[in-house]
Amino acid sequence: NAGVTQTPKFQVLKTGQSMTLQCAQDMNHNSMYWYRQDPGMGLRLIYYSASEGTTDKGEVPNGYNVSRLNKREFSLRLESAAPSQTSVYFCASSPGTGWNTEAFFGQGTRLTVV
Amino acid sequence: QKEVEQDPGPLSVPEGAIVSLNCTYSNSAFQYFMWYRQYSRKGPELLMYTYSSGNKEDGRFTAQVDKSSKYISLFIRDSQPSDSATYLCAPNAGNNRKLIWGLGTSLAVNP
Repeated sequence: NAGVTQTPKFQVLKTGQSMTLQCAQDMNHNSMYWYRQDPGMGLRLIYYSASEGTTDKGEVPNGYNVSRLNKREFSLRLESAAPSQTSVYFCASSPGTGWNTEAFFGQGTRLTVV
Repeated sequence: QKEVEQDPGPLSVPEGAIVSLNCTYSNSAFQYFMWYRQYSRKGPELLMYTYSSGNKEDGRFTAQVDKSSKYISLFIRDSQPSDSATYLCAPNAGNNRKLIWGLGTSLAVNP
């Protein structure tokens, strides 16, 4: 039982390059999230998807796009990477709406933009 | 004012100590209070949760909520080196798909 799987685990990009972070969950969860985690800033929500076919902006969406490809997969795209996007990125999923909003996290992608 | 305030530490204690980790929050609508544990270079994982006010115990861990003062605590008894991690509080209103996160408190338990 894999849970939430993120790829890649590490990535170095040059300023201006693009890339897509992949995330897949095998728990049949409705909601999926992308966070970034920076020292002193905590977890900040970039985008989330409450269900297949819907996406909404979080706190820090600028410079990112997302696609909820199907119920299992939620990808995050950086169109033109900037050094300010150097961070650890976490994908998470949760069963759905309501009070049972336990989030299950992937192991993270460490992205460095030089 | 942030919705959740949490002292980032670091907190360093000797093995066997009782540890108290705390958060304050501002939104009276929060009903569901979660604690996550995050080991170095890993994603957070749910440690325990409580609903509304009161205490909840799970082994060496006790979560406590005081809604009158908007104060959340996590106590760890007989702390172990394996408890060394960052602990994040995450209160929730129950009808919100977007979890609210504290910054996390870094804990080191020294053998």
